[in-house]
Amino acid sequence: DVKVTQSSRYLVKRTGEKVFLECVQDMDHENMFWYRQDPGLGLRLIYFSYDVKMKEKGDIPEGYSVSREKKERFSLILESASTNQTSMYLCASMRSLPYEQYFGPGTRLTVT
Amino acid sequence: DQQVKQNSPSLSVQEGRISILNCDYTNSMFDYFLWYKKYPAEGPTFLISISSIKDKNEDGRFTVFLNKSAKHLSLHIVPSQPGDSAVYFCAARNYGGSQGNLIFGKGTKLSVKP
Repeated sequence: DVKVTQSSRYLVKRTGEKVFLECVQDMDHENMFWYRQDPGLGLRLIYFSYDVKMKEKGDIPEGYSVSREKKERFSLILESASTNQTSMYLCASMRSLPYEQYFGPGTRLTVT
Repeated sequence: DQQVKQNSPSLSVQEGRISILNCDYTNSMFDYFLWYKKYPAEGPTFLISISSIKDKNEDGRFTVFLNKSAKHLSLHIVPSQPGDSAVYFCAARNYGGSQGNLIFGKGTKLSVKP
């Protein structure tokens, strides 16, 4: 079974703090993704990576950066957390066919 | 501009009856469609998928229908069970887009009442 783990289930941070969210997958997938989920807005893609050290912006990259130094690990960084970044953050990894993405359990981030 | 639309934010169905969740899309370059189910405080889990070269795919109680001319797909759950209560996301892959990048709808919350 594919396993995608995220470093924290719940996180509370203050405005202006730097926040690291880590994601690890154990299936040797090339592709990894970071989404945020907000009520009424569905899943929105922040960044994705199709190989080590490669990254591409998704639909809402502003205020975020990512790091992929190893194949199994994909980190999302909030350089200076703001209250509008309070959200559920979901990491996913993917094999090629049938484009099925496997999701981690999510991190509920609250920025106060 | 939303390329994948789930126009019903919620749906309520009686246990044992059929649940039909709908999804419309605008991009004719989409070549693969997937449905995910999400429980609160959990990540989405893959449910079923369909290639654009097919019009139907079935897996147990779940069937996905694709109507390419109408750019419409639907997920049928028969019979519905209380454990099916969750948010369902429709997703599509753009053949011309970045590899593996899925575009998700906003989700439909299904409630199955005993």
